[in-house]
Amino acid sequence: EPEVTQTPSHQVTQMGQEVILRCVPISNHLYFYWYRQILGQKVEFLVSFYNNEISEKSEIFDDQFSVERPDGSNFTLKIRSTKLEDSAMYFCAFRPAPGHYGYTFGSGTRLTVV
Amino acid sequence: EDQVTQSPEALRLQEGESSSLNCSYTVSGLRGLFWYRQDPGKGPEFLFTLYSAGEEKEKERLKATLTKKESFLHITAPKPEDSATYLCAVQAGGANNLFFGTGTRLTVIP
Repeated sequence: EPEVTQTPSHQVTQMGQEVILRCVPISNHLYFYWYRQILGQKVEFLVSFYNNEISEKSEIFDDQFSVERPDGSNFTLKIRSTKLEDSAMYFCAFRPAPGHYGYTFGSGTRLTVV
Repeated sequence: EDQVTQSPEALRLQEGESSSLNCSYTVSGLRGLFWYRQDPGKGPEFLFTLYSAGEEKEKERLKATLTKKESFLHITAPKPEDSATYLCAVQAGGANNLFFGTGTRLTVIP
């Protein structure tokens, strides 16, 4: 299975600060996702991104979150004003094509909001 | 509302002691059921996708099966390196994302 690189691996930020999490997608994969996992809880869907726009988002993905591919390569998740409850592992994931159901997850970014 | 329930929450096995993990699901229009392995502090690692009742897939000591209501992950003669959390997830209906269960934390004792 190909590796998906996420940066940074760990970020500590002050409450109210903006953070940007980055992911290098697998080439030729079309569907991009962000998931999060609060410590001890299940993996939760945040948002899916296809053809340079959001295709689906969960209730968690409110106005403080945004996603983009700023340079056509990296896939980013921005949290504008972090809250304590945003502390979690954030994973990007990719799927190659419509009808192909294999999802590859990244190594994750541990976000700690203090 | 879609539901995915995994049991047991935690399982301790002696090396070589075979067992099964359960994933029960209630969804509308299952399109795929996924098994992932997750090591502490890491991202989920893909194991299997099952699409229809009666389907089975195997990889080394692991075998996944699917019925209309549940999936089992059978672990035959486990080794300590099989220790991890095993996650079940479903894709259903028109959704383009995965819905996860809470996982089973497996510990294999030498």
